[in-house]
Amino acid sequence: SQQGEEDPQALSIQEGENATMNCSYKTSINNLQWYRQNSGRGLVHLILIRSNEREKHSGRLRVTLDTSKKSSSLLITASRAADTASYFCETGGGNKLTFGTGTQLKVEL
Amino acid sequence: GAVVSQHPSWVICKSGTSVKIECRSLDFQATTMFWYRQFPKQSLMLMATSNEGSKATYEQGVEKDKFLINHASLTLSTLTVTSAHPEDSSFYICSLPERGYNEQFFGPGTRLTVL
Repeated sequence: SQQGEEDPQALSIQEGENATMNCSYKTSINNLQWYRQNSGRGLVHLILIRSNEREKHSGRLRVTLDTSKKSSSLLITASRAADTASYFCETGGGNKLTFGTGTQLKVEL
Repeated sequence: GAVVSQHPSWVICKSGTSVKIECRSLDFQATTMFWYRQFPKQSLMLMATSNEGSKATYEQGVEKDKFLINHASLTLSTLTVTSAHPEDSSFYICSLPERGYNEQFFGPGTRLTVL
């Protein structure tokens, strides 16, 4: 599997604002996934986007995928303090998931 | 999705002791489970794949005699850190894959601190 690299590494915004995180990867993929991790907790699967999809929505989450640029973005709209967490992308799929260092998002009241 | 639990949630032990961490699937039979390790502000790193009824497969650089894995049933995998040292202090997380292997369900993690 391959490693996704997220940027920015850290992001601090005010509640109600939108948060955008980006992920870049190196080789062809079948799908890309975004996960969330609250401090000191396990990962929670947020959304999967397949290589033939360009955009996907789930609630306040919007994920885009540009396979020509080998990049994906995760947009969280109308952020809430509870969205404070680390967000990881993963491109390997299968059993050997490999994660980047993630984007640490802090949403302040 | 599957519900995965880990026990204990955190453990502090003295150097040289062994620590056992349990990973349970509460509502799903898992022939395969994965063990990850995460150091502070770093990514999760896959340590090994736990296979029910057979030996675990370890990633490169992970000592199998140091990190003993037992997957005795379809709902339980255990990771034993033998003769733990301070550098083994980390966050250990297990996961199990959904059938298509597109998604994994993670346990809440176990924080190990070795003094």
